[in-house]
Amino acid sequence: ETGVTQTPRHLVMGMTNKKSLKCEQHLGHNAMYWYKQSAKKPLELMFVYNFKEQTENNSVPSRFSPECPNSSHLFLHLHTLQPEDSALYLCASRVDAGSGGTEAFFGQGTRLTVV
Amino acid sequence: AQSVAQPEDQVNVAEGNPLTVKCTYSVSGNPYLFWYVQYPNRGLQFLLKYITGDNLVKGSYGFEAEFNKSQTSFHLKKPSALVSDSALYFCAVRGSVSNTGKLIFGQGTTLQVKP
Repeated sequence: ETGVTQTPRHLVMGMTNKKSLKCEQHLGHNAMYWYKQSAKKPLELMFVYNFKEQTENNSVPSRFSPECPNSSHLFLHLHTLQPEDSALYLCASRVDAGSGGTEAFFGQGTRLTVV
Repeated sequence: AQSVAQPEDQVNVAEGNPLTVKCTYSVSGNPYLFWYVQYPNRGLQFLLKYITGDNLVKGSYGFEAEFNKSQTSFHLKKPSALVSDSALYFCAVRGSVSNTGKLIFGQGTTLQVKP
């Protein structure tokens, strides 16, 4: 257990559905991240939030919509996804005090299948 | 641009033998380097990091890594491999000039330890 909890662990959704992924941490971290992990590809950074403000959107399609209501919670809202969006979605958090030396803690991921 | 290369898709080693998983990087400014391990259907688990100081870094489960600035490398090592070390290993880098804390991952190396 890393202290970063993701729900649900598995999700199957149709291309016309709307669903949300949730990430929660009570580690006192102020930065939170969404990553996409597809088979045979490196981890792709999707979004970065620092003190609830989005600081990076890595050219992610608008069918993925992040929300960070507070420093402990991060959501990824999904709508009209494509089959190629099927992947493991990982949330991470860390303390960002201006130094790059703190490690990120990862959740166990949500395995998303789009049918 | 920041990048990480893990030149081997898979490393095979016999139990009890030493193991090395290779990583080279390119980054602006001083590098912050990390190794993570991922077991099947799980998130990433932090192993160790290099920030500054001693080039040999020790981490969890008997793993260590050596930072080599001239070769821009950060290879992961363990003196005696265990079957339970079999997993997917990721090297990651964050540059000191990154203002979003963006962590860039290599493509991962599968370590297979055979009895």
